[in-house]
Amino acid sequence: AQSVAQPEDQVNVAEGNPLTVKCTYSVSGNPYLFWYVQYPNRGLQFLLKYITGDNLVKGSYGFEAEFNKSQTSFHLKKPSALVSDSALYFCAVRDGGRGSTLGRLYFGRGTQLTVWP
Amino acid sequence: SQTIHQWPATLVQPVGSPLSLECTVEGTSNPNLYWYRQAAGRGLQLLFYSVGIGQISSEVPQNLSASRPQDRQFILSSKKLLLSDSGFYLCAWREEATKLFFGSGTQLSVL
Repeated sequence: AQSVAQPEDQVNVAEGNPLTVKCTYSVSGNPYLFWYVQYPNRGLQFLLKYITGDNLVKGSYGFEAEFNKSQTSFHLKKPSALVSDSALYFCAVRDGGRGSTLGRLYFGRGTQLTVWP
Repeated sequence: SQTIHQWPATLVQPVGSPLSLECTVEGTSNPNLYWYRQAAGRGLQLLFYSVGIGQISSEVPQNLSASRPQDRQFILSSKKLLLSDSGFYLCAWREEATKLFFGSGTQLSVL
């Protein structure tokens, strides 16, 4: 069964500092991994994904994520945080290992990122 | 281009009243459609998904139901709302093989 864990409910960083939002996963086959961001009272927006290839994936708004197979992690990172990055971030893994083309996503509980000036 | 519409944006309903949330997709055909719920302080939970007209799969037993009367229309319903149905409901469609695109959501408060 697929599952995703985001061990931190909250991450607080100062503007200009690097940020990391952690995610670990469990899948039966090769993982398809995603990060989504949700601003207050809004739907989710896609940030980036890892399917195959380079372990470091670059996405929207200067975010990147590093796939680490041995640690089963997919941490979201940004070298220099902005106040406008404050939002709720979700890690997700795709269910694609049973021959289904449905590809529904399993989400973590979310991590609230707060960047203070 | 493809777009997804979800309405209403907010809804306040009394316990025991019916519910109907609508989601429509434009610019694509035969999309896979999803309903997610985000309860306060919790992550996203997949409620229903649909691969075609009249085809609904339920992920968890609950007070809600879903229907897909048309190719690009997905409806979430309840005959009698419970307090525990409060939450933020998100419709989504699979934009490509590996990505979901979400609507703007409906904040439902059951009082």
